[in-house]
Amino acid sequence: AQTVTQSQPEMSVQEAETVTLSCTYDTSESDYYLFWYKQPPSRQMILVIRQEAYKQQNATENRFSVNFQKAAKSFSLKISDSQLGDAAMYFCAFHVGGSWGKLQFGAGTQVVVTP
Amino acid sequence: GAVVSQHPSWVICKSGTSVKIECRSLDFQATTMFWYRQFPKQSLMLMATSNEGSKATYEQGVEKDKFLINHASLTLSTLTVTSAHPEDSSFYICSASLGQGSNQPQHFGDGTRLSIL
Repeated sequence: AQTVTQSQPEMSVQEAETVTLSCTYDTSESDYYLFWYKQPPSRQMILVIRQEAYKQQNATENRFSVNFQKAAKSFSLKISDSQLGDAAMYFCAFHVGGSWGKLQFGAGTQVVVTP
Repeated sequence: GAVVSQHPSWVICKSGTSVKIECRSLDFQATTMFWYRQFPKQSLMLMATSNEGSKATYEQGVEKDKFLINHASLTLSTLTVTSAHPEDSSFYICSASLGQGSNQPQHFGDGTRLSIL
């Protein structure tokens, strides 16, 4: 069984500053994918960034980047130049390769952006 | 592209009634759709995997007779909460993948807020 752990219930960041959200996971699988999803107050789930486990290079998507440490089973998300629109709940998620997209979510981290 | 529509967005009904929630993939065919449940300030919990033309696969602890899932076409899956009670009040979200490949991300509907009085 896979588990995804987000140990930070809430993180606060000032506009234009950087915040890092932590995520660790546990699995015996070798083929898997990791995701960060954003859920704003509207509650729609929005894909922020995706990382394939077989890729050593960390994924980046504009102001969002990850630090993927496979040996440590760590997958942190860095939000640079934070904007008010980044305020949301962020979920780390795990997907075993070939499993038709079945996602396992972490508990979530609430990001608060202050002006 | 890759839009998933969920309807209704909010429903309030009396205890004992059944409620149907629809999940549609608007611009792609989804062989597989997923149904999640989310309590306030909590994470998404997978309830079941819905496969077109076959029976849904339910997660452990999810009552099959309580949460009926039908996936009659490649663009529509429905979740029916039968004889709903206040403890069934929750936020229900569906998602769909573009294909079988592991590199295909899931696309989520906007969710349905269910309130049982």
